[in-house]
Amino acid sequence: GAGVSQTPSNKVTEKGKYVELRCDPISGHTALYWYRQSLGQGPEFLIYFQGTGAADDSGLPNDRFFAVRPEGSVSTLKIQRTERGDSAVYLCASSLDISYEQYFGPGTRLTVT
Amino acid sequence: AQKVTQAQTEISVVEKEDVTLDCVYETRDTTYYLFWYKQPPSGELVFLIRRNSFDEQNEISGRYSWNFQKSTSSFNFTITASQVVDSAVYFCALSLYNFNKFYFGSGTKLNVKP
Repeated sequence: GAGVSQTPSNKVTEKGKYVELRCDPISGHTALYWYRQSLGQGPEFLIYFQGTGAADDSGLPNDRFFAVRPEGSVSTLKIQRTERGDSAVYLCASSLDISYEQYFGPGTRLTVT
Repeated sequence: AQKVTQAQTEISVVEKEDVTLDCVYETRDTTYYLFWYKQPPSGELVFLIRRNSFDEQNEISGRYSWNFQKSTSSFNFTITASQVVDSAVYFCALSLYNFNKFYFGSGTKLNVKP
């Protein structure tokens, strides 16, 4: 079946602009995670959704970052007033429920110029 | 606070050699889970294994084996008779009992040369 998909695969934006990154989890997966991965580093947790609600958003770096999952499936990570330091690969992962293995998407490479 | 350390940044071996990737973790919680993921050059992370803190039995899956030792807070990963297809970045990760948050190490890049 289809895996986790993320769009766009690449996004180049100018400093100060607003961006939206989309994640389509595997159908039926209730848990969804967003991570940020900088070059040469491991994934850094951003936010976790269980269903429609954000169960843990302690990893969001500041209030410029926001994520939603209104119907409990697709999720959108929103970044306002982008900064060059936001450049990274943003990964999404989903799992059937908590305690099940996570399936990762291919990521969105965000470049802020 | 939780932390995962993978001290080996990069390892190079010749095909058929055995190789061990080290992982050391820190947590004060008694219930936690440890994971290994593989990130091949294509980029997508692939789940390899999960262990809980109450199960210190070593695990073997084909050429892969894992050694979990609570006494040294380590969860090491050994590949026996490495192959070129094993070349990837390997990440160790930790989650607490509620799986709300995952803590990843910085990864070890494994290069297996023919």
